Amino acid sequence: AQSVTQLDSQVPVFEEAPVELRCNYSSSVSVYLFWYVQYPNQGLQLLLKYLSGSTLVKGINGFEAEFNKSQTSFHLRKPSVHISDTAEYFCAVSERRGGSYIPTFGRGTSLIVHP
Amino acid sequence: KAGVTQTPRYLIKTRGQQVTLSCSPISGHRSVSWYQQTPGQGLQFLFEYFSETQRNKGNFPGRFSGRQFSNSRSEMNVSTLELGDSALYLCASSLAVENFYTFGSGTRLTVV
Repeated sequence: AQSVTQLDSQVPVFEEAPVELRCNYSSSVSVYLFWYVQYPNQGLQLLLKYLSGSTLVKGINGFEAEFNKSQTSFHLRKPSVHISDTAEYFCAVSERRGGSYIPTFGRGTSLIVHP
Repeated sequence: KAGVTQTPRYLIKTRGQQVTLSCSPISGHRSVSWYQQTPGQGLQFLFEYFSETQRNKGNFPGRFSGRQFSNSRSEMNVSTLELGDSALYLCASSLAVENFYTFGSGTRLTVV
């Protein structure tokens, strides 16, 4: 069974500073990788996804992530964060299961942006 | 286009009662999945329905059940509620070929 490890439960950062949220996964087969963001009292919103092709994936709100197959990592980065980026971020991995791709989520990383 | 709609947004129930949550997927999406989110366990997969059939199931007791209708709308039911069932229940829908899910805003269930 696949698992997803988000190495930091909380990441505090100052506004306009760069940030990296780390994600490692364990899977022996081809996988699809995702980052979702959750704002308070809301559902999850897809930030970006890696299905195939270029290992550098660009998403919404200026976020990007790099797929590293040898290190089984999919770290999320943003060069300059805003107060509005304060939220919970979830890394997810999915592999084929019974005709569908069911994502397994990490425990989440709380990004806290300070003014 | 309209997103995934979950009703109700908030619910308070008493231990031992049962509850039904509803989810309307994005038009054209045939796959609907349900997740339970708690601070202690994070996001845990409950089950997935496709064309009215349960295609995958997570590791939850039989008190948790669901169904999908011919219009792809889905309901999940929890019987004999326990305090530990208090959680945010998220529904997500997907086009079969897109391989990613669009989530609703969730139903916050509180069991007292």
